[in-house]
Amino acid sequence: QLVLTQSPSASASLGASVKLTCTLSSGHSRYAIAWHQQQPEKGPRYLMTLNSDGSHSKGDGIPDRFSGSISGAERYLTISSLQSEDEADYYCQTWGPGILVVFGGGTKLTVL
Amino acid sequence: EVQLVESGGGLVQPGGSLRLSCAASGFTLSSSWMHWVRQVPGKGLVWVSRINGDGGSISYADFVKGRFTISRDNAKNTLYLQMNRLRAEDTAVYYCARGVDIWGQGTMVTVSS
Repeated sequence: QLVLTQSPSASASLGASVKLTCTLSSGHSRYAIAWHQQQPEKGPRYLMTLNSDGSHSKGDGIPDRFSGSISGAERYLTISSLQSEDEADYYCQTWGPGILVVFGGGTKLTVL
Repeated sequence: EVQLVESGGGLVQPGGSLRLSCAASGFTLSSSWMHWVRQVPGKGLVWVSRINGDGGSISYADFVKGRFTISRDNAKNTLYLQMNRLRAEDTAVYYCARGVDIWGQGTMVTVSS
């Protein structure tokens, strides 16, 4: 069974950078994922798709401050030059034959 | 503008039914996989169901199998979720989504007596 693991919380200072992690469970390191942002009291917003080769494609209007990378079974979302509006919950999502659709538990990012 | 707008949420008693709608604009529903995802307030996102472009491939999460039915009317460019035999634990905000890249704003479903 595929599981996506995210740290429940993260924090970083205004103007700094932060790297959020989404870990694919054993045997599933080749799956692509999507990252989504959910600001308080809003619906999710698609950020990017991150493929197993490290390539990524971003959603419309997503700033260059948001980037993705991979290492083995880990998928990263890096946000640079943090702004107050980046304070949000961040979810990773994957999909595939036999596993349907799975979300990680989400990471609550606090901008200090 | 590409947009999804959900409607149909509300308060329903346990055992009751509700039909959610998701109206698409700015793109053709028939060209996309569509999903329903739910979120208990304060908790994470949970996938509920999906349907492919022509409605020929449908999947459900185990916790809604036999109770919920996903469908689409491509002529109306609208996605539906028929929810029967509702339980208190189905209380959540329900979102529709196009693939991974477009989300609606959500509609709240409260199951309570």
